[in-house]
Amino acid sequence: DIQMTQSPSSVSASVGDRVTITCRASQGISSWLAWYQQKPGKAPKLLIYAASSLQSGVPSRFSGSGSGTDFTLTISSLQPEDFATYYCQQANSFPTWTFGQGTKVEIK
Amino acid sequence: QVQLQESGPGLVKPSQTLSLTCTVSGGSISSGSYYWSWIRQPAGKGLEWIGRIYTSGSTNYNPSLKSRVTISVDTSKNQFSLKLSSVTAADTAVYYCARDILILGAFDIWGQGTMVTVSS
Repeated sequence: DIQMTQSPSSVSASVGDRVTITCRASQGISSWLAWYQQKPGKAPKLLIYAASSLQSGVPSRFSGSGSGTDFTLTISSLQPEDFATYYCQQANSFPTWTFGQGTKVEIK
Repeated sequence: QVQLQESGPGLVKPSQTLSLTCTVSGGSISSGSYYWSWIRQPAGKGLEWIGRIYTSGSTNYNPSLKSRVTISVDTSKNQFSLKLSSVTAADTAVYYCARDILILGAFDIWGQGTMVTVSS
């Protein structure tokens, strides 16, 4: 099974900060990676697919990069509505998809 | 636009079978472009993919749950369902249904989730 490891587990940041979250796969997954945002009590929301493609309707301050085993999600200027937990998910090892453990972005 | 809604009992006794249904509205479950998945999340923890079904009825399951999971589809009702047998407290979680884009492997539409507690 492919394991997904996110770092950090949590990050404290202020509005306007640039925030970067890392996701590492236990083996190469090409660009088969998605990022999700989850707010308390809500379902996850797709932000990025295919490692760097922005889902329709998602603000351009979110961006994704990487391929192979190392990936990043960057929020260029953190907004109040961005405080949430973020998950990566690999879609390379068909038929089993796996998620990272999550990164909580908290208010500093 | 497409919406998903989970339904089913919120409380299941240990050793019994958990049964949930996801109703798809605003679009056809028979679209060939998507899988239809179940994902769960224990309180305060991360996401676990349970399994998926294609409109043809073809299924894939998480190996860790495969022996206990059955996912089925009813295209006439635009629904797909989850059955998880022999449940224990470890199966207590919020259960989500989600649309899985066939060519991307990403979940673009999610239901709101339904809490299922396993307790006697």
